Amino acid sequence: GQQLNQSPQSMFIQEGEDVSMNCTSSSIFNTWLWYKQDPGEGPVLLIALYKAGELTSNGRLTAQFGITRKDSFLNISASIPSDVGIYFCAGQLNLNDNQGGKLIFGQGTELSVKP
Amino acid sequence: KAGVTQTPRYLIKTRGQQVTLSCSPISGHRSVSWYQQTPGQGLQFLFEYFSETQRNKGNFPGRFSGRQFSNSRSEMNVSTLELGDSALYLCASSLVKGGQANTEAFFGQGTRLTVV
Repeated sequence: GQQLNQSPQSMFIQEGEDVSMNCTSSSIFNTWLWYKQDPGEGPVLLIALYKAGELTSNGRLTAQFGITRKDSFLNISASIPSDVGIYFCAGQLNLNDNQGGKLIFGQGTELSVKP
Repeated sequence: KAGVTQTPRYLIKTRGQQVTLSCSPISGHRSVSWYQQTPGQGLQFLFEYFSETQRNKGNFPGRFSGRQFSNSRSEMNVSTLELGDSALYLCASSLVKGGQANTEAFFGQGTRLTVV
């Protein structure tokens, strides 16, 4: 099925370091969402982006909706051990309310943080 | 406000059987989507329901079906189970407001289905 290209696949970093991950697509999306998933749990929404060029922060997390609407990045500053998990980007294309929308997910970035 | 609730959390079924999974969305959310998550394929969209109607469908065989009730609760059914259907099945609910096409999707904890 259609997927977003998310990179890197995995990251091993030291506590306190900053982290950056990104997603690219050949398709244009109207919405970009970033999720974090812990083992055995469902994805938890971190940030939602709705406008091209939009830069949004949520605590230590910052995400941007690319100008071309085909990419997005997520930055985590000053990482801590509880940041460990798998981060997913998701793109959504809603033509209008009647058609609804589905999320297209990236393959995920597995983050490991060494104390 | 309660989150998205999926039941059961874990399920073991035998090949050839059928299974029904349940999802209760966040109160007030009328859109419910279902996703399959496997190590090999990642998160794949199954279908979306809004106002008891299927609005969108992914590329899955007809053995996968769903429905939505008037209270927005949703069920998905998989018939004639295959080993490859073993996966985490996730439900997401969204608040769809008139004129606003794009809304956040909130996920439940999922149902871990194992087919043996």
